[in-house]
This record gives sequence, structure tokens and C-alpha cells, in this order.
Amino acid sequence: GEDVEQSLFLSVREGDSSVINCTYTDSSSTYLYWYKQEPGAGLQLLTYIFSNMDMKQDQRLTVLLNKKDKHLSLRIADTQTGDSAIYFCAERESGNTGKLIFGQGTTLQVKP
Amino acid sequence: KAGVTQTPRYLIKTRGQQVTLSCSPISGHRSVSWYQQTPGQGLQFLFEYFSETQRNKGNFPGRFSGRQFSNSRSEMNVSTLELGDSALYLCASSLGGGRGPSSYEQYFGPGTRLTVT
Repeated sequence: GEDVEQSLFLSVREGDSSVINCTYTDSSSTYLYWYKQEPGAGLQLLTYIFSNMDMKQDQRLTVLLNKKDKHLSLRIADTQTGDSAIYFCAERESGNTGKLIFGQGTTLQVKP
Repeated sequence: KAGVTQTPRYLIKTRGQQVTLSCSPISGHRSVSWYQQTPGQGLQFLFEYFSETQRNKGNFPGRFSGRQFSNSRSEMNVSTLELGDSALYLCASSLGGGRGPSSYEQYFGPGTRLTVT
């Protein structure tokens, strides 16, 4: 079945760039998503990329997609303490459905 | 535009009881999905409703059920609660109409924290 894998923890200094990586297995996935979850809150949609794109940039966020290796990354430029949260990568199951398959989440710790 | 709302936010139930959680999607959204989030299993898909019909279902026992009303609001029900049902239950809404990428942008509510004792 489909599976999404992420590293569990990343620590960076304020002002540095953060790169969170994700691998997925379903080659027929059309959309891949990044969500952010702060303590006690739901998931906030950050950005997503269509599978025929290699890169998408949205202000401080850059998403890179390597479809051949089924590898997705999220780069956060100039990371701030407010970026500390859990980041989830998700792929949308193929077909006429909104079902998302999530990775385990990467905890980003930003040190001042 | 108001976001996805979920009620109640917190709930404490006893083993064997049943519970109903409610989700109101963003205005105009016709698809509602439910997810269970636990520290051990992460985020797992429960089911998706679109125009009052269940469109997709995850791998959960029949004790978990849901429905969607004509105004797109959705409820999920868990019967005969078990300790392992303690989790954050998240609801997400989307247009769901299959017309382009925005149709599947899913927006999540704050969740209902269910504790089973």
C-alpha cells in the first residue's frame, strides 16, 4: 500500500534555512502536500505541488519534487522561532477522493 | 470566510459508551474527511463524505461510522468506546468536486480531543 516516510526531528538556528524531507511510494499520486501543526491545534495547509512540477516557491517556502526518486522536500528560508512546529508531508490517494496519506511528521525545533 | 469548526473540543467518556462528534465545513465545501491522530499511529484516515455519500473509507472497525447532512455538516460516531480510541479526531473539508487542484485543498478544523477512561 501507499506509505509516506519522514525524518522525525530537525533542529536549526534562527535565521538559518530548514529542509524537511519526505519520501512516498504511490507513483500515481497527483498532489503532494505540506501541513504544519502547532501544539494543541489542527493542521494548517502550507503549500502543495502537482506531480508534473519540479519546484514551487511561495514566499519563504520552497517545495522540491523528485518524481523519479519519489522524494519531496520543504525548504523554509530564514527560519523563525514561530516556525517551530510539526510538519507533515502527505500524498493524495489517486482517484476521485480527497483521502490523504500522511507521514509521521517532522518536529522542527528553532533555537534563538 | 469562517474556517472548519468542530464540536465539542474536548470530551471525556468511559469505556463502553458511545460518542458523536460534529464537524461544520467551510461554506461551499462539499467534501468532509475525518482523521484520527494518536502518538503511536500518527494521522490515519477514517472516512470521506461527499454530497451525503461515503466516498472512501479507511481501515477502522465498524464501531466507527459517519454521516453527512444536506448542508454538508458531518458527524462521526464511535460506539462501544475502547481505551485505544483516545485520540485527537480531525475533520477536514474541501470543495471535492474534482475540478483542478483547488478542489482537493483540504482545510482542517482544530480537532476534538477524546479521552476514554
